[in-house]
Amino acid sequence: EAAVTQSPRNKVTVTGGNVTLSCRQTNSHNYMYWYRQDTGHGLRLIHYSYGAGNLQIGDVPDGYKATRTTQEDFFLLLELASPSQTSLYFCASSETGGGQNTLYFGAGTRLSVL
Amino acid sequence: GDSVTQTEGLVTVTEGLPVMLNCTYQTAYSDVAFFWYVQYLNEAPKLLLRSSTDNKRTEHQGFHATLHKSSSSFHLQKSSVQLSDSALYYCALRATSSGQKLVFGQGTILKVYL
Repeated sequence: EAAVTQSPRNKVTVTGGNVTLSCRQTNSHNYMYWYRQDTGHGLRLIHYSYGAGNLQIGDVPDGYKATRTTQEDFFLLLELASPSQTSLYFCASSETGGGQNTLYFGAGTRLSVL
Repeated sequence: GDSVTQTEGLVTVTEGLPVMLNCTYQTAYSDVAFFWYVQYLNEAPKLLLRSSTDNKRTEHQGFHATLHKSSSSFHLQKSSVQLSDSALYYCALRATSSGQKLVFGQGTILKVYL
């Protein structure tokens, strides 16, 4: 079973604060993704990457930056956090990006912006 | 762009009865794969089943789904639900030609009662 580890598991910050969410996968997967989960909206893709140094824009990228420093590590950055970014964030990885490849999700980071 | 629609936010069923969770989609591409992910309470989403073959039944863990391109549907069914099936279910699609992003529906909560 693929292993994807997110940290922290919970985070509280204030409006305008600076937040970094971390994700590490140890399965040599090429693709990594950041999703946010909100009731009524399901899982929405923020950013994704197909390798170290690569970044692709997802469907809801505004207010978020991301960086893939190594094949294992993918970070999501909120430089001026807003209450609308209060959400449950999931990182995921997959071996490749196409076809029937499975996404393996981390346990999630619950972020509250006050 | 690609989209997935799950019309029911909540489905409630008595244990032992059948259930169907609806999933319809829109895509301009032909090279598309379809998925159902399940998320149990306080857990990460994980793959339940997947398919890319038209009119072929796919089964896993007692659930089954058949892709029908003629009606743009990939409904999830089970003939006899159990209490342990209570969870959040996501339908998703990935079109290899559209950036290899996995696009999720809004999700359907399935609650099974005695």
